[in-house]
Amino acid sequence: AQSVAQPEDQVNVAEGNPLTVKCTYSVSGNPYLFWYVQYPNRGLQFLLKYITGDNLVKGSYGFEAEFNKSQTSFHLKKPSALVSDSALYFCAVRPNTGKLIFGQGTTLQVKP
Amino acid sequence: AAGVIQSPRHLIKEKRETATLKCYPIPRHDTVYWYQQGPGQDPQFLISFYEKMQSDKGSIPDRFSAQQFSDYHSELNMSSLELGDSALYFCASSRGGQVEQYFGPGTRLTVT
Repeated sequence: AQSVAQPEDQVNVAEGNPLTVKCTYSVSGNPYLFWYVQYPNRGLQFLLKYITGDNLVKGSYGFEAEFNKSQTSFHLKKPSALVSDSALYFCAVRPNTGKLIFGQGTTLQVKP
Repeated sequence: AAGVIQSPRHLIKEKRETATLKCYPIPRHDTVYWYQQGPGQDPQFLISFYEKMQSDKGSIPDRFSAQQFSDYHSELNMSSLELGDSALYFCASSRGGQVEQYFGPGTRLTVT
């Protein structure tokens, strides 16, 4: 079965520090991987995707993610966190049929 | 840029009533996905349509039905509502050959 795991319910970082939100996946075949961000009472916003190619993917708002096939991970990173980055982050995998399977979500709290 | 439109944004219904949620995809997007996000939960895939045909089906109750119309908008019909149906319902759209999905702001359904 295809699944996504986000082991941390919450990540706390200080503004200006680097941040990492972890994601591991279990899929058959080559994965399509995504990160979405959700602000309170808002829809999910697409941040970035990995399909193939370079393992380091750059996305919106200065976020990037590193695909690691051997560790089946797709961690979200940002070199310098902003208070405005505080939100709920979802990692997702896309099987061939097109639907997205989401992880449980990680709340990122960036403190001034 | 145009985004996915969902209506209504908020809906309050009583048990055993019916509800209809509407989704208007981004122009030229031919695929629509419906997701349900319960309180504190990750989004769960319900159903999807490509070119007006059902393309995949997830954990959608038999009480729910959906369709995609000739103008590509989609409607999710929910009957015999239960308290457990209270959730945020997202619609997402994509264009053929594109892997990322773009989400609407969601419809918050409250069943009392």
